[in-house]
Amino acid sequence: GAGVSQSPRYKVAKRGQDVALRCDPISGHVSLFWYQQALGQGPEFLTYFQNEAQLDKSGLPSDRFFAERPEGSVSTLKIQRTQQEDSAVYLCASSLGRLLHTDTQYFGPGTRLTVL
Amino acid sequence: QKEVEQNSGPLSVPEGAIASLNCTYSDRVSQSFFWYRQYSGKSPELIMSIYSNGDKEDGRFTAQLNKASQYVSLLIRDSQPSDSATYLCAVICGTSYGKLTFGQGTILTVHP
Repeated sequence: GAGVSQSPRYKVAKRGQDVALRCDPISGHVSLFWYQQALGQGPEFLTYFQNEAQLDKSGLPSDRFFAERPEGSVSTLKIQRTQQEDSAVYLCASSLGRLLHTDTQYFGPGTRLTVL
Repeated sequence: QKEVEQNSGPLSVPEGAIASLNCTYSDRVSQSFFWYRQYSGKSPELIMSIYSNGDKEDGRFTAQLNKASQYVSLLIRDSQPSDSATYLCAVICGTSYGKLTFGQGTILTVHP
């Protein structure tokens, strides 16, 4: 079946522009996570949704970052007034959501954001 | 101190050898441990999970967990050039909603 998809795959933004990154999780997956991966580093947690509820947003680096999942499926990560330090790969992952501590998280291909 | 630390790489082993990857974590309430493989330019892919002390084997891969020492490792037997990738150790803390906390990754190169 289809895996997690993300769009766009690459995004170049000028500093100060707003960007929106989309994630389509695996059908039926309740849990959805966003991670940020800087070059040469492991992914870092940004936020977590269970269906449409955003239960953990402790990893969002500033109030310029906003995420939503209004119907419990597709999610959008929005970054306002982008800065150069926002340049990274943004990964979305989904899981069944039945057993949070053992569910396998399946990752999408990521969106590589470059802020000039 | 980072929450999850991996042995610094890069690690280079000859084809057919055993590759040993190590990881330590700081949060004692961590309860789930994972090894992900990430090829260059690709997304992480789960290769092993382990939840209780001891060894868990899956084909050429063996994960080892020692909660008392807060240590988890991955052994790759009969290493192949196709195993060349970055290996990420990840941990789920018992008090979280299942978010993964990753180490910085270890780059493994298997040379023919």
